Amino acid sequence: ETGVTQTPRHLVMGMTNKKSLKCEQHLGHNAMYWYKQSAKKPLELMFVYNFKEQTENNSVPSRFSPECPNSSHLFLHLHTLQPEDSALYLCASSQEASGTFYGYTFGSGTRLTVV
Amino acid sequence: GENVEQHPSTLSVQEGDSAVIKCTYSDSASNYFPWYKQELGKGPQLIIDIRSNVGEKKDQRIAVTLNKTAKHFSLHITETQPEDSAVYFCAASKSSASKIIFGSGTRLSIRP
Repeated sequence: ETGVTQTPRHLVMGMTNKKSLKCEQHLGHNAMYWYKQSAKKPLELMFVYNFKEQTENNSVPSRFSPECPNSSHLFLHLHTLQPEDSALYLCASSQEASGTFYGYTFGSGTRLTVV
Repeated sequence: GENVEQHPSTLSVQEGDSAVIKCTYSDSASNYFPWYKQELGKGPQLIIDIRSNVGEKKDQRIAVTLNKTAKHFSLHITETQPEDSAVYFCAASKSSASKIIFGSGTRLSIRP
């Protein structure tokens, strides 16, 4: 366990379903991120939250909706997805203090399959 | 914006030999360079990192080197073992940005 927990580990959903991915960190970090990892593609940053405020949205389609109720929890709400959205969704957290960045801690990811 | 290129995309080495993975970055303001290892079914794990005020860092069988002038950095794994088989990602960031740009990954296979 890395200290960043993602649930569920696997998810199969139809294109008309609504589901949510959950991420929880107990590291005291102040930033959380969603990444998408597809086969044969680099890691794609989707959303960044610093102290619960969204600071970046990397042109992600509106069928992905993030929510960060507090600095320990991050959700990704999914609706009306397409088969090309099938991927590994990774959550990460990091601590930035006094202008020094200490890198990410990743969760194990949620393997999403859209049918 | 920052761009990180990583080579090779796949690498196969004999157990006990060394493996080297190379990356280049484009933004001269980048000053933090982590390396991540991703095993099957897991998220990427930080294995070593280097900041721009040093040229080399070692941790047992793993070492990273940084050439700021050429904007190159490399991962060196010596005496490779089967458990080193994984996908390795280099990355670059500016300390104040807390956003990492990743390379495309290298799939390392260790032949017994």
